[in-house]
Amino acid sequence: EAGVAQSPRYKIIEKRQSVAFWCNPISGHATLYWYQQILGQGPKLLIQFQNNGVVDDSQLPKDRFSAERLKGVDSTLKIQPAKLEDSAVYLCASSLGLGQPQHFGDGTRLSIL
Amino acid sequence: EDQVTQSPEALRLQEGESSSLNCSYTVSGLRGLFWYRQDPGKGPEFLFTLYSAGEEKEKERLKATLTKKESFLHITAPKPEDSATYLCAVQEDNTGKLIFGQGTTLQVKP
Repeated sequence: EAGVAQSPRYKIIEKRQSVAFWCNPISGHATLYWYQQILGQGPKLLIQFQNNGVVDDSQLPKDRFSAERLKGVDSTLKIQPAKLEDSAVYLCASSLGLGQPQHFGDGTRLSIL
Repeated sequence: EDQVTQSPEALRLQEGESSSLNCSYTVSGLRGLFWYRQDPGKGPEFLFTLYSAGEEKEKERLKATLTKKESFLHITAPKPEDSATYLCAVQEDNTGKLIFGQGTTLQVKP
C-alpha cells in the first residue's frame, strides 16, 4: 500500500514570499490533516478535512494560511506571506475516518530567510 | 485546557537495558491515546492505539499501557535500532483532534 505522498521535501524562501505544499493521501482515506512541527516539539494540527469539507481549522492562522482539498483527494496548503516563525516541518496525514490511526507523510521542511 | 506531557525529554540506554517512557494527559473526553515513533527526517510512524484504562498493547520489544491519567511505553531489552523520538497523542472525544506531547528522544547505545 502506497503511503502519504508530500512534495516538495524541502523549500527555502524569503520572508513575505508565498509557498505551497502538496499532499496525496492513502487511497480510500476520507480524512486528511495538515500539521506544523517546530523543531523539538510535537506536531500541531492546523486543519482537518473530512472528504472535501473542513472539520477543524481552529488553529490555522487564516490571515496567511489557506488550504483546500478539491474532489476530496489531494490537498494543498499555502502560506502567503511567510513569516520567520513559519519555519517548520509541514506534515500531512490521512486516516480512514475519525478515531482511526493517522498515517503521516515525511513532510516538507520549510526554511524562511 | 487539554494537555499532553511526556517525560523524560531524552533518554540514553545501553543495549539490553529496559526502561519506560511516560505520557501524562489531561483531556475533557478521551477517545483514544496513540503512540508514534519518529525517525530523523521522517514523519511519525503509528505504533499503538489504546482506548480504555487497563488496556495493553505489545509489538516486539514495545508494550504500551493506559491508566486514566497516563500511559507508559515500556521498552524491553532495547536495540540500537529502537533509537528514535517517541510521540504520544490523545484524541479528544468531542472534536476528534489529536493533541501531541513534545516527545521523548531515545538513544540506545551498543
